[in-house]
Amino acid sequence: DAGVIQSPRHEVTEMGQEVTLRCKPISGHDYLFWYRQTMMRGLELLIYFNNNVPIDDSGMPEDRFSAKMPNASFSTLKIQPSEPRDSAVYFCASSSNRGGKTGELFFGEGSRLTVL
Amino acid sequence: QKEVEQNSGPLSVPEGAIASLNCTYSDRGSQSFFWYRQYSGKSPELIMSIYSNGDKEDGRFTAQLNKASQYVSLLIRDSQPSDSATYLCAVSKGSNYQLIWGAGTKLIIKP
Repeated sequence: DAGVIQSPRHEVTEMGQEVTLRCKPISGHDYLFWYRQTMMRGLELLIYFNNNVPIDDSGMPEDRFSAKMPNASFSTLKIQPSEPRDSAVYFCASSSNRGGKTGELFFGEGSRLTVL
Repeated sequence: QKEVEQNSGPLSVPEGAIASLNCTYSDRGSQSFFWYRQYSGKSPELIMSIYSNGDKEDGRFTAQLNKASQYVSLLIRDSQPSDSATYLCAVSKGSNYQLIWGAGTKLIIKP
């Protein structure tokens, strides 16, 4: 399997612009997670989906952030408008509930976002 | 008190020695425990999972869980320079499969 695929790997944008991050989970995995990682705050869970349905979005910082999962093989995280404090590495991860191993996450390579 | 606590390090260990990493957690209802390794500039990678009290061994790695004392540890035997990384402890939120993450311990293996 190709693993979790994220794009873009790097994004540099100006404050106020819209940013869309994309993720393709591992085929057959029924959980998808969006995380953000910064030096100051570590890994933060933003939102997670089960079978394409958002389960918990309490980690989404504010209304500027939105996430969708239109099908089992694709998810997006959108920031509109972006702000400098959104600069971070955004990770997508997927897992399977087979055998109750949902916590065994497979991470993508991440999208490094810089907002100027 | 943080929900999952780790010593941030860095922890410096000579090559060939045993590296011992520790993690404590606050939620007594947690049922699943994980160690992830993250190299600088890379994504976290699962190296060990443990679900019941006691030890679990996988090659040079041993995870130890003590639910009564609310700690989980990771031992790395015969440490290699390639083990130098940040090790993240993650604990399930009660019986929910959401994970609570520690801030990570930076491990440096000195040749």
